[in-house]
Amino acid sequence: GAGVSQSPSNKVTEKGKDVELRCDPISGHTALYWYRQSLGQGLEFLIYFQGNSAPDKSGLPSDRFSAERTGGSVSTLTIQRTQQEDSAVYLCASSLDRWGSTYGYTFGSGTRLTVV
Amino acid sequence: QKEVEQDPGPLSVPEGAIVSLNCTYSNSAFQYFMWYRQYSRKGPELLMYTYSSGNKEDGRFTAQVDKSSKYISLFIRDSQPSDSATYLCAMIAGGGNKLTFGTGTQLKVEL
Repeated sequence: GAGVSQSPSNKVTEKGKDVELRCDPISGHTALYWYRQSLGQGLEFLIYFQGNSAPDKSGLPSDRFSAERTGGSVSTLTIQRTQQEDSAVYLCASSLDRWGSTYGYTFGSGTRLTVV
Repeated sequence: QKEVEQDPGPLSVPEGAIVSLNCTYSNSAFQYFMWYRQYSRKGPELLMYTYSSGNKEDGRFTAQVDKSSKYISLFIRDSQPSDSATYLCAMIAGGGNKLTFGTGTQLKVEL
């Protein structure tokens, strides 16, 4: 596609439920990133994929968070047993090169997650 | 202390003003510097990218990097109401695999 697509755009879930967030990156972009954006906190790195492997998952806050990428394309971020502190906007980005240092990242519009 | 510090604002200026947005950083390994603009309920979009000290100009926007002071700036000339957004600085180390972002500065340009 022309851009990075994320779904759903909004998700309201009850505390304790599991949620899955989807990211469809730009075709041909080998690098994929998940960030979390909370009010006043800026963008917090979660995980980086190069192809289907995740060489850097250092930002995942707890073992309730996991992510996978298949076919070098679509990625899903799963949050198990959601807590109210998980409420945030989850942003996905892709880039043409490993560092994103040549062309920067292209971001999706995000999934706004609210845990009630 | 955060690796990247950015004043959150909000910053309010009249139309036509020159805007100066700034970030400081502590990690001397950062080599590539970017500015992103984020409109409400949208993802950030890349505005400027630079890797060397000095100035880079693109239309009304100028990015400035001072590696010796670990200080970067974005200048917006002849600011327009459509420039109202949050501006995020971002940087990455050479060989690094992820951008580190500032918290963003909220800018409002008023008519």
